[in-house]
Amino acid sequence: DGGITQSPKYLFRKEGQNVTLSCEQNLNHDAMYWYRQDPGQGLRLIYYSQIVNDFQKGDIAEGYSVSREKKESFPLTVTSAQKNPTAFYLCASSETGISGYTFGSGTRLTVV
Amino acid sequence: ELKVEQNPLFLSMQEGKNYTIYCNYSTTSDRLYWYRQDPGKSLESLFVLLSNGAVKQEGRLMASLDTKARLSTLHITAAVHDLSATYFCAVTKETSGSRLTFGEGTQLTVNP
Repeated sequence: DGGITQSPKYLFRKEGQNVTLSCEQNLNHDAMYWYRQDPGQGLRLIYYSQIVNDFQKGDIAEGYSVSREKKESFPLTVTSAQKNPTAFYLCASSETGISGYTFGSGTRLTVV
Repeated sequence: ELKVEQNPLFLSMQEGKNYTIYCNYSTTSDRLYWYRQDPGKSLESLFVLLSNGAVKQEGRLMASLDTKARLSTLHITAAVHDLSATYFCAVTKETSGSRLTFGEGTQLTVNP
């Protein structure tokens, strides 16, 4: 079955450490997105990519980095510059020009 | 800048009652989405509304769109406990790269 796989489900980060969240899709979707969700709040866009080897900053890109070397994969790195990374991270994909987004199951990141 | 506002943010209702969640957005958009989120889970797609006057229904939920008023409603009929969740509306605008902009979410609790 087609879908989006996020891993790991839970991730713990020490102060000053970079961590990478994985997002893989087998839907052949062109566009992929990373959202951050804080408790009791909506989703805010971190980065998005509409095509391989290209991506754009969203509303809260500071302290994060991404790459899009393959159509299927859009990993998110949370760098040490992100001072408050504890949150729920959701990856999504869509096919350009067609309605409908598919969301992954999420990664819950906690700073220890 | 596209902004999306939902109200109410918190809604506690009794089983069997009817209620409406409102979603306002600030500029013209291409599509409007409604999602459901259970605690600690990802987003579940409920409705996609594409044009003015669109109405979609699934079970006890009915969504409508008024593009002139920049308003969508999610109407709940004869609520049941299983509808307890957080509901988000989100809009896209093609000139913004088809990114989803979310409202803050409405946390619905249905009491017996």
